[in-house]
Amino acid sequence: NAGVTQTPKFQVLKTGQSMTLQCAQDMNHNSMYWYRQDPGMGLRLIYYSASEGTTDKGEVPNGYNVSRLNKREFSLRLESAAPSQTSVYFCASRIFGTENNQPQHFGDGTRLSIL
Amino acid sequence: RKEVEQDPGPFNVPEGATVAFNCTYSNSASQSFFWYRQDCRKEPKLLMSVYSSGNEDGRFTAQLNRASQYISLLIRDSKLSDSATYLCVVNEGNDMRFGAGTRLTVKP
Repeated sequence: NAGVTQTPKFQVLKTGQSMTLQCAQDMNHNSMYWYRQDPGMGLRLIYYSASEGTTDKGEVPNGYNVSRLNKREFSLRLESAAPSQTSVYFCASRIFGTENNQPQHFGDGTRLSIL
Repeated sequence: RKEVEQDPGPFNVPEGATVAFNCTYSNSASQSFFWYRQDCRKEPKLLMSVYSSGNEDGRFTAQLNRASQYISLLIRDSKLSDSATYLCVVNEGNDMRFGAGTRLTVKP
């Protein structure tokens, strides 16, 4: 089972360049999430999508945009990359319901460096 | 005050030791609680959910204290392979809040 798949696994960008991080899940989960993790810090939520067709800002959304393309795919875009966005990015998904709070499943991560 | 706080450690323990981690959370309306394990430069992986009555999975025991707003993780008979960072996660609706993690190193 693939679970949550992220591409690319590594990327180096120059300041000002743009790129899109891709995430896909095959577990029929309704909710998907994008986090960043910096050294010595916990995961911080960038954006999430509770269900297909909806997206919401998390704790650190500035400088990012997202698209919930369909139930399986949730992409994260950096329009103009900045060195402060150097980080490890994790995508996650889970089943979310009012009475059934399931844990998240994570992708392998994308290691992004911006020079 | 951070929403989810953990002692960052590091905890350095010998094989066979018992070690306990605590995690406090600030939102009394939090609904679900989890412990994740994260190995260096890898993705977080679910270790166990935390239920109100407390739960055990082999050498691991998790407990929840809603009145004091903390959860705990106890690891008995530590193995070298338990060396990792342990993340406390608190669910608030569709938002999951992560602690910064507690680093554990188990030594021979």
